[in-house]
Amino acid sequence: TQLLEQSPQFLSIQEGENLTVYCNSSSVFSSLQWYRQEPGEGPVLLVTVVTGGEVKKLKRLTFQFGDARKDSSLHITAAQPGDTGLYLCAGYSGGSNYKLTFGKGTLLTVNP
Amino acid sequence: DAGVIQSPRHEVTEMGQEVTLRCKLISGHNSLFWYRQTMMRGLELLIYFNNNVPIDDSGMPEDRFSAKMPNASFSTLKIQPSEPRDSAVYFCASSTGGVRDAFFGQGTRLTVV
Repeated sequence: TQLLEQSPQFLSIQEGENLTVYCNSSSVFSSLQWYRQEPGEGPVLLVTVVTGGEVKKLKRLTFQFGDARKDSSLHITAAQPGDTGLYLCAGYSGGSNYKLTFGKGTLLTVNP
Repeated sequence: DAGVIQSPRHEVTEMGQEVTLRCKLISGHNSLFWYRQTMMRGLELLIYFNNNVPIDDSGMPEDRFSAKMPNASFSTLKIQPSEPRDSAVYFCASSTGGVRDAFFGQGTRLTVV
């Protein structure tokens, strides 16, 4: 069974601070996705990374896929209250096009 | 453009009662995924439909759970009889192909007392 471990589980910071959250596995994934889930809503896809070592930026968010495609990180610069939410990573192994392995998420709270 | 629509948003029911959750796919989408989210287990795939046909129901916890797609745009997830351990948020998601392109609904928060 493939597992994705996310850390930290909870993170509470002040507006303007930087942060990094991690998504780790012992398994190799052909791609990895990051989602943000706001309270009372469904997950919304932020980015998909495919190539080992790939870095993608989305405004103040920087996503990196590990060289071995077993891990990923999400870095947020100058966090804002609107960044508050549950950040989920999800790995795709190939083969069946309907199976994603989800981590349990990092719950981020950005205080004004 | 309407996204995936789930109803009800919240459901509180007594143990032993039948519960039906509903999902309307995005127009033109032909893949449908039902997920369950809990603190302990995170997001788990319950069942996957493609073109109205159930492809993989291995995630359905037990026979008390059943899912249908009576037409290309609508699906139901039924729990009969419900138990307190079924309390969770249930999401459906739809796509034109695989799960990596899927859009999630807002979820139904189910509480079984």
